[in-house]
Amino acid sequence: EAGVTQSPTHLIKTRGQQATLRCSPISGHTSVYWYQQALGLGLQFLLWYDEGEERNRGNFPPRFSGRQFPNYSSELNVNALELEDSALYLCASSQFWADTQYFGPGTRLTVL
Amino acid sequence: GENVEQHPSTLSVQEGDSAVIKCTYSDSASNYFPWYKQELGKGPQLIIDIRSNVGEKKDQRIAVTLNKTAKHFSLHITETQPEDSAVYFCAASTPPGGSYIPTFGRGTSLIVHP
Repeated sequence: EAGVTQSPTHLIKTRGQQATLRCSPISGHTSVYWYQQALGLGLQFLLWYDEGEERNRGNFPPRFSGRQFPNYSSELNVNALELEDSALYLCASSQFWADTQYFGPGTRLTVL
Repeated sequence: GENVEQHPSTLSVQEGDSAVIKCTYSDSASNYFPWYKQELGKGPQLIIDIRSNVGEKKDQRIAVTLNKTAKHFSLHITETQPEDSAVYFCAASTPPGGSYIPTFGRGTSLIVHP
């Protein structure tokens, strides 16, 4: 069974640009979570989507947004990139209301 | 909201020794406690989890203990091997209807010397 997949693996942008990151959940999982992992820090919760709706949002500015598609894949958009947005962005999936989350390999975003 | 403290931040052991990582949480409503292992350049991998109705759970060389009264839980790795070297994260989450999103500890970098 395929795990959570993310693309691209690496992304390099300049300050002020927009970045789009993509995630495909494990087959049968309807919930997708996004986390930011800055260097040396833990996992900071960004967004939770299920059945196409945003269910919860972490303490991040509105320029972090996303959506979930009918096939349950998800997209994270970061507008007006700032240097401090450089981090590993992790996607996780679970069955709805199931507490066990499974992570993808992440997208390394570098903002220059 | 929930707050999870994880110690130590770095743990260095010799191959064959045991390693123990401890976490404390603040929200007494938390009832699910997973542990993740993150190797360099990879995403976190679930290695073991425990629910609040259980005090201990084992899986080969890995065990997790939970003390709900004291609000702390620990990861125990016995007979450590160099491939156990990684960053380990603990997390705590509340049931659906609560905040539900897991709160993670800051991570422990485990180094196993051959």
